[in-house]
Amino acid sequence: NAGVTQTPKFQVLKTGQSMTLQCAQDMNHNSMYWYRQDPGMGLRLIYYSASEGTTDKGEVPNGYNVSRLNKREFSLRLESAAPSQTSVYFCASTGTVNQPQHFGDGTRLSIL
Amino acid sequence: AQTVTQSQPEMSVQEAETVTLSCTYDTSESDYYLFWYKQPPSRQMILVIRQEAYKQQNATENRFSVNFQKAAKSFSLKISDSQLGDAAMYFCAYELDNAGNMLTFGGGTRLMVKP
Repeated sequence: NAGVTQTPKFQVLKTGQSMTLQCAQDMNHNSMYWYRQDPGMGLRLIYYSASEGTTDKGEVPNGYNVSRLNKREFSLRLESAAPSQTSVYFCASTGTVNQPQHFGDGTRLSIL
Repeated sequence: AQTVTQSQPEMSVQEAETVTLSCTYDTSESDYYLFWYKQPPSRQMILVIRQEAYKQQNATENRFSVNFQKAAKSFSLKISDSQLGDAAMYFCAYELDNAGNMLTFGGGTRLMVKP
């Protein structure tokens, strides 16, 4: 029962370094999402992919890029990490329209 | 843009008692979905309950139930017979129908359960 798998679980970067967060789902879901959660706050949508081959910006896309590699995988890239991007990042997926999203366990990312 | 507000940063409840968590939202749409998610210290996001806006009947899931007031744009979560395992952050979320399943979250309420 893997569901949504995120790697890595923890990462520390220096300002200016680049990093790709990986996400894979094994539920044959069409839509995938990347969120960030800052301390004491709810999740905010960074980017999403409604289907393989499409990606769209969410609420807070600046400083990030995404790739929907195939139906299973959706990666999030930080080209030049900044301390403001210190956060917990969640990947999620969903199948049919308006079904609840399934979340990964999150990646805690610290940028010094 | 839709907004979701949880006005209670923290709540506490005695074990076996009942607690209600508040959520209000702002939207001009008529077709949408509302959710409550639980986030324990393990950081997982666990779906607690889901409500379709077109349904007048309030959703229930075992000890969890909602009070959905569409006109007031209010969506509260009631937890009955509270258990120690209910201690967590609870997030209210909104999803517009046929809009890519994008969720808008509230800021969360931390629930503490006292033995």
